[in-house]
Amino acid sequence: AQSVTQLGSHVSVSEGALVLLRCNYSSSVPPYLFWYVQYPNQGLQLLLKYTSAATLVKGINGFEAEFKKSETSFHLTKPSAHMSDAAEYFCAVSEGDKVIFGPGTSLSVIP
Amino acid sequence: DGGITQSPKYLFRKEGQNVTLSCEQNLNHDAMYWYRQDPGQGLRLIYYSQIVNDFQKGDIAEGYSVSREKKESFPLTVTSAQKNPTAFYLCASSISRGREKLFFGSGTQLSVL
Repeated sequence: AQSVTQLGSHVSVSEGALVLLRCNYSSSVPPYLFWYVQYPNQGLQLLLKYTSAATLVKGINGFEAEFKKSETSFHLTKPSAHMSDAAEYFCAVSEGDKVIFGPGTSLSVIP
Repeated sequence: DGGITQSPKYLFRKEGQNVTLSCEQNLNHDAMYWYRQDPGQGLRLIYYSQIVNDFQKGDIAEGYSVSREKKESFPLTVTSAQKNPTAFYLCASSISRGREKLFFGSGTQLSVL
């Protein structure tokens, strides 16, 4: 069965600083990978999706993620954090008909 | 606007009571999912359905039941057998199977009285 790990349950960055949220998956074959964002008391929204077309995937709100097969990683980055980026971020992987989510990383942005 | 509607937003359950959470979508999606969210544990899959009148158990189906009588509706019943039901419940849908983007509702917070 697939599994997803996210290193760091909570990450704090200063406004304008680089955002790096880590995600590792367990699959031995290239999977479909996703990053979702959740704002307080809301559902999740898709940030970006990896489908093997390109290793660097650009998403909404200036976020991007790089797929590294050798490291089984799909880390999320944003060059400059904004206060509005404060939210919970989830990495997810497809497994057949299902989508398996990681435990999430809470991002705080310090003014 | 197309989307997923979950109701109610807040729900309280008494001990021994069954409660039903509603999920309706007008996106014409075949696949629908129920997830449970607990702090620090991410989302765990309860049940999912790919077509009408068919559904499969997810990782934590015990104490829950679902039905899929219509394409647009996928209600979740939290039964009295679920001893720790307090959580945030999220419904989602997608065009087809797990490789596609999930569209989420705004969630139902269930608490025990």
